[in-house]
This record gives sequence, C-alpha cells and structure tokens, in this order.
Amino acid sequence: GESVGLHLPTLSVQEGDNSIINCAYSNSASDYFIWYKQESGKGPQFIIDIRSNMDKRQGQRVTVLLNKTVKHLSLQIAATQPGDSAVYFCAENGSDDYKLSFGAGTTVTVRA
Amino acid sequence: DAEITQSPRHKITETGRQVTLACHQTWNHNNMFWYRQDLGHGLRLIHYSYGVQDTNKGEVSDGYSVSRSNTEDLPLTLESAASSQTSVYFCASSDRSSGTGLDYNEQFFGPGTRLTVL
Repeated sequence: GESVGLHLPTLSVQEGDNSIINCAYSNSASDYFIWYKQESGKGPQFIIDIRSNMDKRQGQRVTVLLNKTVKHLSLQIAATQPGDSAVYFCAENGSDDYKLSFGAGTTVTVRA
Repeated sequence: DAEITQSPRHKITETGRQVTLACHQTWNHNNMFWYRQDLGHGLRLIHYSYGVQDTNKGEVSDGYSVSRSNTEDLPLTLESAASSQTSVYFCASSDRSSGTGLDYNEQFFGPGTRLTVL
C-alpha cells in the first residue's frame, strides 16, 4: 500500500554539524508535506512544510527539500544543537481532505 | 492563548472496562483527529471529525468511537479496553483559517495520554 516512511530510524550527529533526515513516500498524488519534531513526553510540533510545486523551502536553521521524481523528502538542520534531539516525522497530505499520513519517525541524538 | 488539552495524562485500566479520553481545543478549529502512537508505527489515525456531528473512521478504528457534539471537544471512547490498546494517544486539530504553514493545514497536537490496559 501507499505510505510515508523514513530511511533510517536513528541518527547520531555531533553538536554543530548539519543533520539530514530523509523520508520516502509512495503516494504520487500527495501534494503537501510536513515535518514534525517530537520531544520526549510531548506531542509533535510543526517545523516546516512544503507543497508539491516547490523543490525547496527554508526556515530558521531548517531546510526542506522535495524530489518528486524519486518521491523523496529531506529535512536539513543547520548547526545542530542539543535541543534538536528528538524524533522527527514526515507527513503527507492529499489534496482532497485534511488527513495526514505519518512515517515511522527518525530519532536524532546530538552528541556534545 | 489558544491551546489543545488532553485528559487524563496517564490512565491505567483493566481489560473490558470502558475508558474515555478527553480532548479540548480553544482554537475553534473545525478539524479534529485522534492518533495512537506505538514504537515502530509512528502515528496512526483512529478517528477524525471535520465539524459538529461529523465523525469518520481512520486506519485503526476498531474498538474505538468518537462523538462531536460541539466544536471544542472530541472525546475518544474505548468501549471495552483490550491490552492491545495500551498506547500513547494524541489528539490534534487543524483549520485553514489559522496556522503558520503554507496551506494552514498543519495539525496542532495535544500533550498526549498514556493509557495502560492491564
């Protein structure tokens, strides 16, 4: 079936380095994608989103890249900080409703 | 400030009991969602509602029900709790009249309820 998923379940990164979190999706009809961050014991928090007619979008220290050809989404975090340690989820939305489908998540651990 | 709250935050119950988890949002959002989160599965949609008196089944709705009698609340009921329903439950809301994302379609999540069924 169609689904949204992440390539790696865990990522360990040195403080100050850049992080790249990947996500593969299979629903070619998806037109909207979101990245969420979930800290331990909390609900997911919105980070950044992107539409299917865009290739790249930047926020504060974060960049989302979308490659529709290979159905791949990535989140780049610049100068990773200890506060970036969390689980990161990608989610996708079709054009006909408000539901989101979530991937399994990648756990990012920042080493001091 | 507008927010979304869930109660209780932790609940322990026994197999076969009926359990209701509360979700309340003060954004006046039309759309509300219930998810469960288990290791290795991410967030899976249980039920959702796009307005008062509207309810819909998600991908894992068996054993759960919801009702939407007003805009602010979407309680989730486990009719007869089973050990397989031990999980962390998240409520979320969205509405294209508010938000900071491109399409204002991002969902705002509550803090979660950890449910243990013994």
